[in-house]
Amino acid sequence: AQSVTQLGSHVSVSEGALVLLRCNYSSSVPPYLFWYVQYPNQGLQLLLKYTSAATLVKGINGFEAEFKKSETSFHLTKPSAHMSDAAEYFCAVSLNAGGTSYGKLTFGQGTILTVHP
Amino acid sequence: DVKVTQSSRYLVKRTGEKVFLECVQDMDHENMFWYRQDPGLGLRLIYFSYDVKMKEKGDIPEGYSVSREKKERFSLILESASTNQTSMYLCASTVRGVGNQPQHFGDGTRLSIL
Repeated sequence: AQSVTQLGSHVSVSEGALVLLRCNYSSSVPPYLFWYVQYPNQGLQLLLKYTSAATLVKGINGFEAEFKKSETSFHLTKPSAHMSDAAEYFCAVSLNAGGTSYGKLTFGQGTILTVHP
Repeated sequence: DVKVTQSSRYLVKRTGEKVFLECVQDMDHENMFWYRQDPGLGLRLIYFSYDVKMKEKGDIPEGYSVSREKKERFSLILESASTNQTSMYLCASTVRGVGNQPQHFGDGTRLSIL
């Protein structure tokens, strides 16, 4: 079975500072990995995904994540935070089923990002 | 653009009522999901469906049931609502495949049981 751990339920940064949100996964087979963002009173929106191509994945809004198999990590970064980045972020893992998949995801507990002026 | 629509953004019901949450997707996706979201617990899977009339239990199915009579529609049913079912409910869908496609989410229904 797979699992996801997001380190830090709350992260606070200043506007213009580096954003680093941590995600570690556990999976018995090569995983697919996703980062989602949730703005207040909205559903989840896909930021980026890793599907075994390039290990450095670029997403929307200037975010990127690097898949590191040796560290079982998929941390999310952004060089310079904007006030509009304030939201909750979720890391998720899907099994590489190698065949028909139901597309089930296992989510981390989420990290709330606060951006200070 | 892809769209997952949940019928209500906010809903208030009383304990013991039978509650229906509706979800419709316009992407012809085979797989549909119902999650419950609570602070600090992330998203927990209640039920999912991989085809019309097919369903599978997720991690927390107790107190819930689902219905999928048409491919585009997936309903979550609270048979007898209780206060501990007050939560945010999210519906999602994705295409059948090898697991590398993202789920698409609706905006959620914030349900309060009084």
